[in-house]
Amino acid sequence: DTGVSQDPRHKITKRGQNVTFRCDPISEHNRLYWYRQTLGQGPEFLTYFQNEAQLEKSRLLSDRFSAERPKGSFSTLEIQRTEQGDSAMYLCASSPSGSWSTDTQYFGPGTRLTVL
Amino acid sequence: AQTVTQSQPEMSVQEAETVTLSCTYDTSENNYYLFWYKQPPSRQMILVIRQEAYKQQNATENRFSVNFQKAAKSFSLKISDSQLGDTAMYFCAFTPNTPLVFGKGTRLSVIA
Repeated sequence: DTGVSQDPRHKITKRGQNVTFRCDPISEHNRLYWYRQTLGQGPEFLTYFQNEAQLEKSRLLSDRFSAERPKGSFSTLEIQRTEQGDSAMYLCASSPSGSWSTDTQYFGPGTRLTVL
Repeated sequence: AQTVTQSQPEMSVQEAETVTLSCTYDTSENNYYLFWYKQPPSRQMILVIRQEAYKQQNATENRFSVNFQKAAKSFSLKISDSQLGDTAMYFCAFTPNTPLVFGKGTRLSVIA
């Protein structure tokens, strides 16, 4: 069990550029979650997958955001046409099979995005 | 709306002392789980303790315990025998009808 990993750890980009983040969950976990954490705030839920199916998306996930989890393994979160308001820490978490309401979620170290 | 309120943005405690972090939440759901997560500086978030809303008995994990008052929608965290390694942001969270709703966090500093 190597834990949840995220890549890159830091990303600096210019406004208007596209960025993509990757998350590798704990191997036997079939649920994967994305959260966004801005400075001074707690994490806010963005979306989650059960295996390859994206089951829920928050209103925070505008049409510039897209997430995928091909083959139910790693996941990617892409932000198109980045804006300065997208600057945040993007956290990934995974949990074993069961209910998202009861599972303990295990978090990765996050990807810090800075949009200039 | 499902919300979590942590009214103490920052707290400090002397090493070996006891500290309590407060958390209240709002939901119309009857069944949910509550969590305290710890986020050390520049490190990833880890679970401290969890509580099932239908269980009246308060959860404990070594030096960490909760005081869960369902009617009051209150879920405080008590840390006994505080250690320097407890210095971190602490987030209260719960799962009403959506994956984890977090509070804004309490920054705890343990002073030697």
